[in-house]
Amino acid sequence: GQNIDQPTEMTATEGAIVQINCTYQTSGFNGLFWYQQHAGEAPTFLSYNVLDGLEEKGRFSSFLSRSKGYSYLLLKELQMKDSASYLCAVKNYGQNFVFGPGTRLSVLP
Amino acid sequence: KAGVTQTPRYLIKTRGQQVTLSCSPISGHRSVSWYQQTPGQGLQFLFEYFSETQRNKGNFPGRFSGRQFSNSRSEMNVSTLELGDSALYLCASSLRTENTEAFFGQGTRLTVV
Repeated sequence: GQNIDQPTEMTATEGAIVQINCTYQTSGFNGLFWYQQHAGEAPTFLSYNVLDGLEEKGRFSSFLSRSKGYSYLLLKELQMKDSASYLCAVKNYGQNFVFGPGTRLSVLP
Repeated sequence: KAGVTQTPRYLIKTRGQQVTLSCSPISGHRSVSWYQQTPGQGLQFLFEYFSETQRNKGNFPGRFSGRQFSNSRSEMNVSTLELGDSALYLCASSLRTENTEAFFGQGTRLTVV
């Protein structure tokens, strides 16, 4: 089976940088995805890593280490609108996405 | 390009009834997956369809079923509803089954009373 772990909650201040970690145990790894979900809304795609290293997309970056089963999502210059849940999801070959429990981020003024 | 459309948005049913939820994927997307989201369990995978064939199924009882039509639209059905089936049901569509992100619909909020 698969196991994905994320911190349950995090708090940060507007303008700061926050790193949300995700660890996973899986076989047949075929990509790690990060999604953002605001309360009462659908998850929206943020980033995708299939090779080791850092992917940067504006204020958001995602890192992957396949050998360590580890990823993180880095959010820079935090804004109030970044308050949301952040979901880490792993895809294996021929199988469905498996989502982590999500990390609820609160951005304080 | 229209996004993923789920209908209805909200539904209230009583225990023992059955319900059918609908999902229209993004045009050109052939993969549709269904998820149940509850505060305690997070996003739980129900099933995935590609070209009218079920590719994967999650650990849900047989009361949960689904299908996909030739135009890629999908439906899921829950029979003999239980209180614990109250949840947000999300549909996601993808262009392919591998190496591609999933786009989610707004979901159907099902309340069983």
